[in-house]
Amino acid sequence: DTEVTQTPKHLVMGMTNKKSLKCEQHMGHRAMYWYKQKAKKPPELMFVYSYEKLSINESVPSRFSPECPNSSLLNLHLHALQPEDSALYLCASRPTTGARNTEAFFGQGTRLTVV
Amino acid sequence: AQSVAQPEDQVNVAEGNPLTVKCTYSVSGNPYLFWYVQYPNRGLQFLLKYITGDNLVKGSYGFEAEFNKSQTSFHLKKPSALVSDSALYFCAAYTGGGNKLTFGTGTQLKVEL
Repeated sequence: DTEVTQTPKHLVMGMTNKKSLKCEQHMGHRAMYWYKQKAKKPPELMFVYSYEKLSINESVPSRFSPECPNSSLLNLHLHALQPEDSALYLCASRPTTGARNTEAFFGQGTRLTVV
Repeated sequence: AQSVAQPEDQVNVAEGNPLTVKCTYSVSGNPYLFWYVQYPNRGLQFLLKYITGDNLVKGSYGFEAEFNKSQTSFHLKKPSALVSDSALYFCAAYTGGGNKLTFGTGTQLKVEL
């Protein structure tokens, strides 16, 4: 199994809503990532988890709250988002952080629209 | 500063012709370089990587890439393009101590009949 599974595929939420994005992998990877991607642009790193601990937060606004409840699961909790937060949110994993020669595996993404 | 650059926003090529998507890098230490492809509204798919050894790396779907240390380049190539190769291509490398995958700005490849 070399898949990273993200749910839901599409999400429309109001600015006062609370929602969560889910990411799951069963490859035994201990590094997991959240990226945000705008149309035709490269992915922008948001958070990195290493062995279930947050190791990098790229100065992301607090309305985005990550959570890594176990080694297979990564969540992104969303609250009071703005329309400019509409984007494709990508999850990725790889065996560990620090090893610069290992590729990351990406999920298919969640297309988020904030109205 | 460590970075990856893709000088072309778009590359157009006729089906059956060879294609090249360019990438240059500026990273400290040994360069480990990656190519990913993204189809519309999909995630990124890993194509190939350069770690060490042969300068010509073979990857998925008939793609290959040529590493050139003197020119600090890692260009993606395919001998005969297909319309289905039309997609957004990203070159990438790890920076910041190996934790952050840094992407180039992306190159839109359009293969026409």
